[in-house]
Amino acid sequence: GQNIDQPTEMTATEGAIVQINCTYQTSGFNGLFWYQQHAGEAPTFLSYNVLDGLEEKGRFSSFLSRSKGYSYLLLKELQMKDSASYLCSSANDYKLSFGAGTTVTVRA
Amino acid sequence: EAQVTQNPRYLITVTGKKLTVTCSQNMNHEYMSWYRQDPGLGLRQIYYSMNVEVTDKGDVPEGYKVSRKEKRNFPLILESPSPNQTSLYFCASSQNANTEAFFGQGTRLTVV
Repeated sequence: GQNIDQPTEMTATEGAIVQINCTYQTSGFNGLFWYQQHAGEAPTFLSYNVLDGLEEKGRFSSFLSRSKGYSYLLLKELQMKDSASYLCSSANDYKLSFGAGTTVTVRA
Repeated sequence: EAQVTQNPRYLITVTGKKLTVTCSQNMNHEYMSWYRQDPGLGLRQIYYSMNVEVTDKGDVPEGYKVSRKEKRNFPLILESPSPNQTSLYFCASSQNANTEAFFGQGTRLTVV
């Protein structure tokens, strides 16, 4: 599969900002997704980037650089409910590959 | 309500006993796929289907079969399950491979 790298864990304080980086292989690249997965639940869609630049959606923003094979997910004004695993996923040709996920813990 | 439905949610079975996990979506999506999720490895795609009667291997297809006879259904078949197939399985559907995927609630399979 496509090699997708993202940090395993991150911890931040309520109200702070956290940036989750993701690198992926660019061969046959068609787009980059971010999903959120709470413990014991199914993943839910957060964002999709296909062009370079920043996409902002409320407290969450996602950035893509196609030439560098790099993306990040920015979580602003962190809330306790943002404690979850964040999955970076690349679409290459017709296949989808996921990173192992970044577990974000928000502390009061 | 738009949803992807998987059954069963939990299953314990014995090595070699054929089983099927069903997946159904009501959104008229063309693209469907199966994943397994294991600690430290994340979601790995098993098989995907771009439309009826069109299926292809993902990254970890060994030991699994799928079929797509109708647009809404995409069952996952384990002909002879083995303990290394113990995992959490997710079905997902989307309009195509480059659009938002909707996931089922997951099937926790244990093979003893």
